[in-house]
Amino acid sequence: GAGVSQSPSNKVTEKGKDVELRCDPISGHTALYWYRQSLGQGLEFLIYFQGNSAPDKSGLPSDRFSAERTGGSVSTLTIQRTQQEDSAVYLCASSPFQIGETQYFGPGTRLLVL
Amino acid sequence: SQQGEEDPQALSIQEGENATMNCSYKTSINNLQWYRQNSGRGLVHLILIRSNEREKHSGRLRVTLDTSKKSSSLLITASRAADTASYFCATAPKGGGSNYKLTFGKGTLLTVNP
Repeated sequence: GAGVSQSPSNKVTEKGKDVELRCDPISGHTALYWYRQSLGQGLEFLIYFQGNSAPDKSGLPSDRFSAERTGGSVSTLTIQRTQQEDSAVYLCASSPFQIGETQYFGPGTRLLVL
Repeated sequence: SQQGEEDPQALSIQEGENATMNCSYKTSINNLQWYRQNSGRGLVHLILIRSNEREKHSGRLRVTLDTSKKSSSLLITASRAADTASYFCATAPKGGGSNYKLTFGKGTLLTVNP
């Protein structure tokens, strides 16, 4: 059984460019989460999906950040007009329907904005 | 401030010794989880303890939870060099429909010297 996968593993971009980060959750997991981990910081919650709906987008830091999920599976986190402070590791996790339980994390995407 | 706060921030021990990490939190919880992170990448779930449990074991791991003090500890016995990693506690809040939102502390960096 495959775990959560994320792509790309690393992304270097120039300030002002848009980036898309992809997450493939564990098959059958209805809940999906995005977190951000900046250097020296803990994990910061960004957004939560249940199926294709995002009941909680409260953690998205600005309107440059958006996310969608299609087919109850793959999710894409898009950052528009990237800024240097967006540099971080972006982690995706999924869990079965019973939320509040164990979350299974992907390896993350390390984003560097020059 | 972070819901979960681990201490110490860093811990260095010799192989074979025991390692103890502590976590404090502020609000009522449904459960508390411990995760491990190697080299700043994906998190691996270690153990989950529910608010009505006081102690839980998994292999060389022992977790305690004291809800009256809002604190938890993670004990790793007979440590190995491969245990070198960052360890995070995460709390799932009680009720309110937001128990999916795990709140992570900043972690304890454990170094096990061969």
